[in-house]
Amino acid sequence: GAGVSQSPSNKVTEKGKDVELRCDPISGHTALYWYRQSLGQGLEFLIYFQGNSAPDKSGLPSDRFSAERTGGSVSTLTIQRTQQEDSAVYLCASSTGRVYEQYFGPGTRLTVT
Amino acid sequence: GIQVEQSPPDLILQEGANSTLRCNFSDSVNNLQWFHQNPWGQLINLFYIPSGTKQNGRLSATTVATERYSLLYISSSQTTDSGVYFCAVKGTYNTDKLIFGTGTRLQVFP
Repeated sequence: GAGVSQSPSNKVTEKGKDVELRCDPISGHTALYWYRQSLGQGLEFLIYFQGNSAPDKSGLPSDRFSAERTGGSVSTLTIQRTQQEDSAVYLCASSTGRVYEQYFGPGTRLTVT
Repeated sequence: GIQVEQSPPDLILQEGANSTLRCNFSDSVNNLQWFHQNPWGQLINLFYIPSGTKQNGRLSATTVATERYSLLYISSSQTTDSGVYFCAVKGTYNTDKLIFGTGTRLQVFP
């Protein structure tokens, strides 16, 4: 079956612009995660959605970052007023529940110039 | 929070050799996963193994949860095994996120 998909695969933006990154989880997966992979910080957790519960936003690095998940499926990560330090690969993952195996999408490579 | 350490950081092998990668973690976990990140950046699931032993072809993994470590074995390595191998865990007392180790970079030469 289809895996986790993300779009765009690459995004180049100018400093100060807003960007939106999209994630389509595996059908039927109730848990959705966003992570970020950067050279200096490795792979780090950003935010977690589980069903209709309030999201765990504890990993978001600043209030310029936000995410939503509509209808329990597709999620959008928004970064406002992008900075150069936001350059990274943004990865989305989904699973059947909070303890279970997570499956990752191919990522969106964000470059802020 | 929980700490995850992987060793060795780098490994260079000739095709056909065997290797063992290690992952140590600092607290109780209820999820442990091994991933292979290929040269295109895709994270490929290898094992979901919070405890016990599993095998999949030339790869196998063992997690000893009581001693807080996991091992990934690669036998008869191939050039396509090259890439970075990550161990990631979820702490039993914080089940919302995976904590990743810093990875082992494997290079297999023909």
